[in-house]
Amino acid sequence: QSALTQPASVSGSPGQSITISCTGSSSDVGSYDLVSWYQQHPGRAPKLLIYEVNKRPSGVSNRFSGSKSGDTASLTISGLQAEDEADYYCCSYAGSSTRIFGGGTKVTVL
Amino acid sequence: QVQLVQSGAEVKKPGASVKVSCTASGYTFISHDISWVRQAPGQGLEWMGWISAYNGNTNYAQKLQGRVTMTTDTSTSTAYMELRSLTSDDTAVYYCARDRENSYGRKTQFDYWGQGTLLTVSS
Repeated sequence: QSALTQPASVSGSPGQSITISCTGSSSDVGSYDLVSWYQQHPGRAPKLLIYEVNKRPSGVSNRFSGSKSGDTASLTISGLQAEDEADYYCCSYAGSSTRIFGGGTKVTVL
Repeated sequence: QVQLVQSGAEVKKPGASVKVSCTASGYTFISHDISWVRQAPGQGLEWMGWISAYNGNTNYAQKLQGRVTMTTDTSTSTAYMELRSLTSDDTAVYYCARDRENSYGRKTQFDYWGQGTLLTVSS
């Protein structure tokens, strides 16, 4: 099973909004509202940002939001800040209690 | 507070085995499954499988079937991941993560992560 497809990189200026896409198939993203997003800074463990497509854990900034349409999920970061520069990964339930990750997107704050 | 603390870095030769531990604290260990995720140098995240801390049931990623075994010791709130027949392709940082389910029993998120264990496979 191939990884979910994410753009390799996305960039934006401070204060702007950016959106990262995550494209799967009818076997994963398209069939379940069970997409989660993770932020990973260099040398650090991933951190949960979004779960079940659009839910934010307590403590996560409301500048992060998620959505889904068909086989594609999206993460939007609004009011981009320097600290948002990191790698971002989507993950989807893929049936039979399995999971699949996206290839990751490097966000650069210009 | 919830913490997952993993064992230290390992260096192994090709063909050897490794066993990584993940000790949980701050919650009832048997209430949540543990997943293992690895990340090769400069690469993305790869889900390896999960284990139920409640009854030891497991589900492994197809590509690792036959080479990976996940176990738990509820007396010490520790999960283990053993990987056998190592090759250089197994060089990666290995993470354990607490695996959450929704009210329908579907797995939804990895809400807490260990700090990672670097495995280097080299002759």
